[in-house]
Amino acid sequence: AQSVTQLDSQVPVFEEAPVELRCNYSSSVSVYLFWYVQYPNQGLQLLLKYLSGSTLVESINGFEAEFNKSQTSFHLRKPSVHISDTAEYFCAVSDRTGGFKTIFGAGTRLFVKA
Amino acid sequence: DVKVTQSSRYLVKRTGEKVFLECVQDMDHENMFWYRQDPGLGLRLIYFSYDVKMKEKGDIPEGYSVSREKKERFSLILESASTNQTSMYLCASSPTWGSEQYFGPGTRLTVT
Repeated sequence: AQSVTQLDSQVPVFEEAPVELRCNYSSSVSVYLFWYVQYPNQGLQLLLKYLSGSTLVESINGFEAEFNKSQTSFHLRKPSVHISDTAEYFCAVSDRTGGFKTIFGAGTRLFVKA
Repeated sequence: DVKVTQSSRYLVKRTGEKVFLECVQDMDHENMFWYRQDPGLGLRLIYFSYDVKMKEKGDIPEGYSVSREKKERFSLILESASTNQTSMYLCASSPTWGSEQYFGPGTRLTVT
């Protein structure tokens, strides 16, 4: 069955430090992968997505994620975080076996400290 | 930009009341979704719809129903609210099945 595991529920980090938010999924077929961000008291916003092509995808605000098929991972990284990146981040996956139903991970709360 | 709006940001209802949560999207998307979000559990799909008047149960449909009479509007109904339905409710839409979803701001419902 399709599933998404976000390995860290909370990640505290100092401003300007690098960060990696980990995401693993279970699927043996072609997948679509997504990272969403949720700021306090708001809905989710798409941060970046992988549908096909280059395995490295980037967002406009400096985040990137790499699709690793052999490790079934889609980790999110940023080389230098800002206070404003404090939010909850959700990894999501959809694939053909699940009828392309989207499954969300439990979320990782990123807390950037000054 | 895609806009998904939800009728209320905050709602307080009493046990046993009938509750309506409305969601409207302005991008002519075929697919619409209702999720509930609880700490540590992520998003759980309640119902979804892939066309007008079409609806499918998600993972946790018990205690809920939905209505989609127009393409842009998808309503979630709690027939008889209970305290365990206190949660954040998120509506979303997507242009194609499996593609990225666009979310509304959420409705935080408290049932007392």
